[in-house]
Amino acid sequence: GIQVEQSPPDLILQEGANSTLRCNFSDSVNNLQWFHQNPWGQLINLFYIPSGTKQNGRLSATTVATERYSLLYISSSQTTDSGVYFCAGQNTGGFKTIFGAGTRLFVKA
Amino acid sequence: GAVVSQHPSRVICKSGTSVKIECRSLDFQATTMFWYRQFPKQSLMLMATSNEGSKATYEQGVEKDKFLINHASLTLSTLTVTSAHPEDSSFYICSASLGLAGPRDTQYFGPGTRLTVL
Repeated sequence: GIQVEQSPPDLILQEGANSTLRCNFSDSVNNLQWFHQNPWGQLINLFYIPSGTKQNGRLSATTVATERYSLLYISSSQTTDSGVYFCAGQNTGGFKTIFGAGTRLFVKA
Repeated sequence: GAVVSQHPSRVICKSGTSVKIECRSLDFQATTMFWYRQFPKQSLMLMATSNEGSKATYEQGVEKDKFLINHASLTLSTLTVTSAHPEDSSFYICSASLGLAGPRDTQYFGPGTRLTVL
């Protein structure tokens, strides 16, 4: 079955709007991370967040490990935020990183 | 810090030829490197995990004779696509891990290599 599930699959925002991206993960996945893949394909680490809340500028993330979900908040979105946001986790007991299908974000000017 | 480079960034080749992609950690030593493949509008799929000085561990369904991985030093891993065919066309991404804990440590990603096989 699906171990890392993201929603929504696609999102279009007007510049300045806020959004929340969700990641559900199964019991066999831990050590959540969020990545941003820009339109040129480069992946950037956003957060390593196995639990709790972290903030970095306009972005913040919260993981509730006991309920197997993580949220990525984007505030005051900018056109440069466009791209694909992936959450990924590690297989419990293994050494494999499993990526979700991603949320494709487009921010309109 | 923690910069990973890939070369080439883009390659077009004829069917039947072999293509080598290099992944380098520029400012740190990477005990473990990972190779992913990404088809258009899809997620990243792990192909193999390579540790310096030992044989790579391939994921199920990835042909080890087709995708040769060499991790000769702590800063360099190579992926060779042998006898490439059009279905091998994809975006190949490597990542490198800082610590000895493997993927439990943060992975830093290269910019990717877009392979097109004609």
